[in-house]
Amino acid sequence: SQQGEEDPQALSIQEGENATMNCSYKTSINNLQWYRQNSGRGLVHLILIRSNEREKHSGRLRVTLDTSKKSSSLLITASRAADTASYFCATSRGNTGNQFYFGTGTSLTVIP
Amino acid sequence: DTGVSQNPRHKITKRGQNVTFRCDPISEHNRLYWYRQTLGQGPEFLTYFQNEAQLEKSRLLSDRFSAERPKGSFSTLEIQRTEQGDSAMYLCASSFPGPVTSFYEQYFGPGTRLTVT
Repeated sequence: SQQGEEDPQALSIQEGENATMNCSYKTSINNLQWYRQNSGRGLVHLILIRSNEREKHSGRLRVTLDTSKKSSSLLITASRAADTASYFCATSRGNTGNQFYFGTGTSLTVIP
Repeated sequence: DTGVSQNPRHKITKRGQNVTFRCDPISEHNRLYWYRQTLGQGPEFLTYFQNEAQLEKSRLLSDRFSAERPKGSFSTLEIQRTEQGDSAMYLCASSFPGPVTSFYEQYFGPGTRLTVT
């Protein structure tokens, strides 16, 4: 039932490096969102990109969306140890566009 | 406002028993969502409410699951005749009011961890 699929499944980088995660999905979407989940905690919304947008920035985050390839990428620049978490993409479907489907996530470890 | 709250945080039950979870969304958020998350997986959509109306429901949702939001504020999720496969984290989220076709970020609660023995 998962709509999105993140890649890589796990990523380990040194503090200060950039981290790139990718998300692929299967059907047309209304929008795509990225969320972060720290171990044992709830999800935190990072950024939303609509289907008619191609790129969006928020602080150290940069998200791109390619609807022709049904893919999105999340770039975290100048990573910090506090960025260590799992990152999920979520796409919306359904009659109201309010069925959200999450991928399996990318587990990011930033080594201090 | 302290965010979305869920109760209980942990629930251990025996197979066959019924359980009920509660979610209190952020006040004035008219949208409420329930998800289920198992270890190593992303959240799985269960159902969506706009005010008191249940507008979306996953086709994978068993008849043993039912959710309500009677006054458009808090919501309950009940699982009848629990099975070991129901063991998971049950997450609730809410989002800002807006037209049905507008999209806003979801604020997630800490979840209720269910263990069925």
